[in-house]
Amino acid sequence: QQQVKQSPQSLIVQKGGISIINCAYENTAFDYFPWYQQFPGKGPALLIAIRPDVSEKKEGRFTISFNKSAKQFSLHIMDSQPGDSATYFCAASKTSGTYKYIFGTGTRLKVLA
Amino acid sequence: GAVVSQHPSRVICKSGTSVKIECRSLDFQATTMFWYRQFPKQSLMLMATSNEGSKATYEQGVEKDKFLINHASLTLSTLTVTSAHPEDSSFYICSAVPTSGGAIWAYNEQFFGPGTRLTVL
Repeated sequence: QQQVKQSPQSLIVQKGGISIINCAYENTAFDYFPWYQQFPGKGPALLIAIRPDVSEKKEGRFTISFNKSAKQFSLHIMDSQPGDSATYFCAASKTSGTYKYIFGTGTRLKVLA
Repeated sequence: GAVVSQHPSRVICKSGTSVKIECRSLDFQATTMFWYRQFPKQSLMLMATSNEGSKATYEQGVEKDKFLINHASLTLSTLTVTSAHPEDSSFYICSAVPTSGGAIWAYNEQFFGPGTRLTVL
């Protein structure tokens, strides 16, 4: 019930292409879904986040698509750049209570120049 | 805004010694902070939830006597790894949740520090 499944584990995309990372959750009480980007040796940085009351959120080249009935959400990176090469983590949380995040297993993205 | 710092960024110590890692929220107050541990090429593993003025809540399997957490103020939490051993070598990351949850930040957004690389020889 507490797991967040993330796929793929790794992803290679050509420069200018679209990177798509998927996550699925089980606990219907989750109501906050952030995506984090992490470079080697650094802490995670928030990219974009969504709540279940919307099906899509876009910020620049980054878009979250959310499917509440399927309990799935995905990150789309448009016009992928070599500088996007990093590890991406999805997470799920409840906005009340302990504020704990349940993280996905991560996706290592490599964008080829 | 919403910057979290950690000190030190890297530490190397001998087996059996204790190491203290500081986590500070620089421009906001945080009643709640979290401590994570991350092994190479793995996800973040939550170790404990640190609440200002009260005892930390540890995740299952995390030894509270080995990983001492103190959250003495609204901007500082510390993690002390006591009697460190080589298997404690890892990347330790803290995060902080703004207390007010006001208009600037969304809900229970966690802001992460840059991490501390601990190597125990």
